[in-house]
Amino acid sequence: NAGVTQTPKFRILKIGQSMTLQCTQDMNHNYMYWYRQDPGMGLKLIYYSVGAGITDKGEVPNGYNVSRSTTEDFPLRLELAAPSQTSVYFCASRTGTGVPYAYGYTFGSGTRLTVV
Amino acid sequence: EDQVTQSPEALRLQEGESSSLNCSYTVSGLRGLFWYRQDPGKGPEFLFTLYSAGEEKEKERLKATLTKKESFLHITAPKPEDSATYLCAVQAYDSWGKLQFGAGTQVVVTP
Repeated sequence: NAGVTQTPKFRILKIGQSMTLQCTQDMNHNYMYWYRQDPGMGLKLIYYSVGAGITDKGEVPNGYNVSRSTTEDFPLRLELAAPSQTSVYFCASRTGTGVPYAYGYTFGSGTRLTVV
Repeated sequence: EDQVTQSPEALRLQEGESSSLNCSYTVSGLRGLFWYRQDPGKGPEFLFTLYSAGEEKEKERLKATLTKKESFLHITAPKPEDSATYLCAVQAYDSWGKLQFGAGTQVVVTP
């Protein structure tokens, strides 16, 4: 099925460990985004990309890094994990052509990360 | 700075009891206001995009409206399957599609 695929679905990390959250979309969307969602809070933007090779910081980028070598993939890297990074992470994408907002953004099913 | 405030935080309805959710926003030039539905353990699912004051959109028992300062999501004669968290988000012009989300309204519909 077409859409945004995130892996893993769940992960427990120890403080100081690193990991990469994977995000792949098969809709040929140019725009991709990483959000985190904490209980009682709205989704906060971490990083975004407007095309392969182009990325920029969002509202809460500290402790994270991204790359975009292909249109399909937009991995999120956590370096030196901290308890404050315990959250649910969502990747999203949208088209940049036609009427890009008519169909909203397509979200993945999320990665639930716990840092202990 | 763009801000989105949703109220109430939680809403408990009897099946068939209509109600409205509120989304108040401030944004430097509204490009679009979005409503999403989120089920537990899943990603947000797109419902509507509203572009300008006075616009309305409907989907089954849901109707979204927009003014210059707020948006309402009306749920008419809800069913238990309408139970979910409803998220509102705004996008400003020249923002590369970045969304500013509200905290959401959790709706529970009981039979």
